[in-house]
Amino acid sequence: AQKVTQAQTEISVVEKEDVTLDCVYETRDTTYYLFWYKQPPSGELVFLIRRNSFDEQNEISGRYSWNFQKSTSSFNFTITASQVVDSAVYFCALSEASNAGNMLTFGGGTRLMVKP
Amino acid sequence: EAGVTQSPTHLIKTRGQQVTLRCSPISGHTSVYWYQQALGLGLQFLLWYDEGEERNRGNFPPRFSGRQFPNYSSELNVNALELEDSALYLCASSRGMTGANVLTFGAGSRLTVL
Repeated sequence: AQKVTQAQTEISVVEKEDVTLDCVYETRDTTYYLFWYKQPPSGELVFLIRRNSFDEQNEISGRYSWNFQKSTSSFNFTITASQVVDSAVYFCALSEASNAGNMLTFGGGTRLMVKP
Repeated sequence: EAGVTQSPTHLIKTRGQQVTLRCSPISGHTSVYWYQQALGLGLQFLLWYDEGEERNRGNFPPRFSGRQFPNYSSELNVNALELEDSALYLCASSRGMTGANVLTFGAGSRLTVL
């Protein structure tokens, strides 16, 4: 069965610090998809990135970057020069190609607090 | 393009009552997913509907049910409410049925059971 673990339940940083959110996953599928979502206080989950299991290229989008390593089953998320607006709960999620539909298995989330 | 809309945004019920939550997906999206986010329990998959049919359900009792209408909107019904049903109920929609499709979430319906 699939599983996603976000060991850091809460992280507090000061603005402009870099911060990395860890995500470790378990799956027996060879084809799977990994996601990161952001949940601000409003509650709505905001999609940040999707990665498929065949694409281990790291990705950078502005201050956000993602490091996908199949060898360690990790998909970590780094925010460079954090800002107060980055304060939110961040979820890592997994879906398996062998399952019809897109039932995401979520990690427990990491609450990031960025202080001015 | 309008996003996923959910109603009501907040509601308070008492134990034993019944509740109906509503979700309108993004135009063109045929799949609707329901998730429960209870305090301390993270995000749990509840139900998946596509083309009017229930395709899959998570590990929840039968008093959690729903349906999808011809216009792809969906309802989630919870009967015989219990205190532990207090949670944020999130609806999401997607265009296709594969694991590659991105789910777009609504802002949720926050249910409090007293």
